[in-house]
Amino acid sequence: GQNIDQPTEMTATEGAIVQINCTYQTSGFNGLFWYQQHAGEAPTFLSYNVLDGLEEKGRFSSFLSRSKGYSYLLLKELQMKDSASYLCAVRDSNYQLIWGAGTKLIIKP
Amino acid sequence: TAGITQAPTSQILAAGRSMTLRCTQDMRHNAMYWYRQDLGLGLRLIHYSNTAGTTGKGEVPDGYSVSRANTDDFPLTLASAVPSQTSVYFCASSRGEADTQYFGPGTRLTVL
Repeated sequence: GQNIDQPTEMTATEGAIVQINCTYQTSGFNGLFWYQQHAGEAPTFLSYNVLDGLEEKGRFSSFLSRSKGYSYLLLKELQMKDSASYLCAVRDSNYQLIWGAGTKLIIKP
Repeated sequence: TAGITQAPTSQILAAGRSMTLRCTQDMRHNAMYWYRQDLGLGLRLIHYSNTAGTTGKGEVPDGYSVSRANTDDFPLTLASAVPSQTSVYFCASSRGEADTQYFGPGTRLTVL
């Protein structure tokens, strides 16, 4: 079966750095996505990785290792507004997205 | 730019009743999707459409039907609602099946 694993919840301090991990086992691989979802709102696109390595976009970076079936999202200089759920999704061989259950990130002052 | 709109925002429905959730996008995206989101689970694909006039089944299609008469609209119909269909429903679209998906604001449906 297809599976995406990520921690259920993480807590971090304002101004700090946090790394959210995602491991996957899917039927084929055509890219990995990270989305942010604030409570009661829609998921919004953060990043996309299809090749191994690090993609940096401002305070957010995403890393991919296809051989390990592993990705992480790195958030730097955490702000209170970063409190949200972070969703990892893999596009499989049928070009459908397989989603993890999300990691709820709690930021404390 | 509106992007993707969904209606209604929320709804309480009696079991056995039918309902259509509406989704409209103004980005001229070819592909559209319906997901449901339940606590503790990842988003699950119900149905999708890669282009107007075509539809396909996702992971959890039973009890739902869709149509794609034109590019902009992708309604989701529950023919006879059951309590297990209580969920938050998100519509999404992408330029093509290989492109990033963008989500509507969601419809919160409660079936009693």
